[in-house]
Amino acid sequence: EVQLVESGGGLVKPGGSLRLSCAASGFTFSSYSMNWVRQAPGKGLEWVSSISSSSSYIYYADSVKGRFTISRDNAKNSLYLQMNSLRAEDTAVYYCARVGRTTGAFDIWGQGTMVTVSS
Amino acid sequence: DIQMTQSPSSLSASVGDRVTITCRASQGISNYLAWYQQKPGKVPKLLIYAASTLQSGVPSRFSGSGSGTDFTLTISSLQPEDVATYYCQKYNSAPPAFGPGTKVDIK
Repeated sequence: EVQLVESGGGLVKPGGSLRLSCAASGFTFSSYSMNWVRQAPGKGLEWVSSISSSSSYIYYADSVKGRFTISRDNAKNSLYLQMNSLRAEDTAVYYCARVGRTTGAFDIWGQGTMVTVSS
Repeated sequence: DIQMTQSPSSLSASVGDRVTITCRASQGISNYLAWYQQKPGKVPKLLIYAASTLQSGVPSRFSGSGSGTDFTLTISSLQPEDVATYYCQKYNSAPPAFGPGTKVDIK
């Protein structure tokens, strides 16, 4: 079964750091671009960051540029999001999502991990 | 960056009604437009890509159309299980922006 499982969320104080992980299974992870998408409570979807299959191309939303770092380990079938200098407005469910090779859209999503930034 | 807008922001319709949601891009994106469905408390699900191609397993009552800057998602006969928020997304280039969403419920 094709699956993405996020972990690493939790409660962190403003200014703190957190590292999210996304474990992939059921497909050749190294062949796919991956993304992080977040959703604040009661709000819409916000794209956060993208990374190409070989990590050659990386993009960030302006709202997280300079604070978040996306990375991947194809040998471990894992995607990561290092989040530093966290702010209250970063509070959200964070999803990892796969870019379909035939669709170009986000065809597989994880179940999400909640990040709460609060003192 | 290209901005995505959707209308309406919410709608209420009866079972069996035809429902249409509009998505507009601030610049042309050819047909690099996807639609997602997010049911309450659930993970987003890809419905349509390339503006009009139905993802595998999606009921045929869903359809998409458009190209350039104007796109529509149509549900030909609304069902109770279609209660959800629908998002459009452009993916021709970074950033792959989402629209603000359209919440659909049953009257």
